[in-house]
Amino acid sequence: DQQVKQNSPSLSVQEGRISILNCDYTNSMFDYFLWYKKYPAEGPTFLISISSIKDKNEDGRFTVFLNKSAKHLSLHIVPSQPGDSAVYFCAAQLDFGNEKLTFGTGTRLTIIP
Amino acid sequence: DVKVTQSSRYLVKRTGEKVFLECVQDMDHENMFWYRQDPGLGLRLIYFSYDVKMKEKGDIPEGYSVSREKKERFSLILESASTNQTSMYLCASSLTSHSYEQYFGPGTRLTVT
Repeated sequence: DQQVKQNSPSLSVQEGRISILNCDYTNSMFDYFLWYKKYPAEGPTFLISISSIKDKNEDGRFTVFLNKSAKHLSLHIVPSQPGDSAVYFCAAQLDFGNEKLTFGTGTRLTIIP
Repeated sequence: DVKVTQSSRYLVKRTGEKVFLECVQDMDHENMFWYRQDPGLGLRLIYFSYDVKMKEKGDIPEGYSVSREKKERFSLILESASTNQTSMYLCASSLTSHSYEQYFGPGTRLTVT
């Protein structure tokens, strides 16, 4: 049972435009959400996170939005750059201090120059 | 910088062999994790450890065991490798106080023939 889902396996966006990656979850007990970025032949690296008490968190070109009632979060990248081409995973945690993360299936983002 | 290293980048083993995957972290992190990454399934947690000699099953522990004799080292063991264990294996570590952010190694691509 996939508790965290990323329904778009791939996404292509022109350089300079906005990239929007989506993630849905089914467990209403999740309390903390994260996005990871993965380049080929490397391990995932942490990108940005959001607590369930917030609906938005921004870090430079990256913004994560959380809609708890819809059990949906999204990652916005603006403007998109070629170096953003990677696989993006969303992940969820039951509560801060609970070590276990549940990951989504990933979305491959390709930025077209 | 946190560094998580994995003993091999690529490994080819035969069905029925015992396989050891080693992971070492250099930042004195309490928590360590083993995931496997498969296309369309994302990252799935196999086992994790929150202290030396402590371990907990993740979502897919069947066919695997782990060992953590020292804080910096976490080993994944395939007692009798099977072809359905062909996958990318990723090790990660985290500080208990920041357990939401996990640091990943580069991965081991294991092929079982």
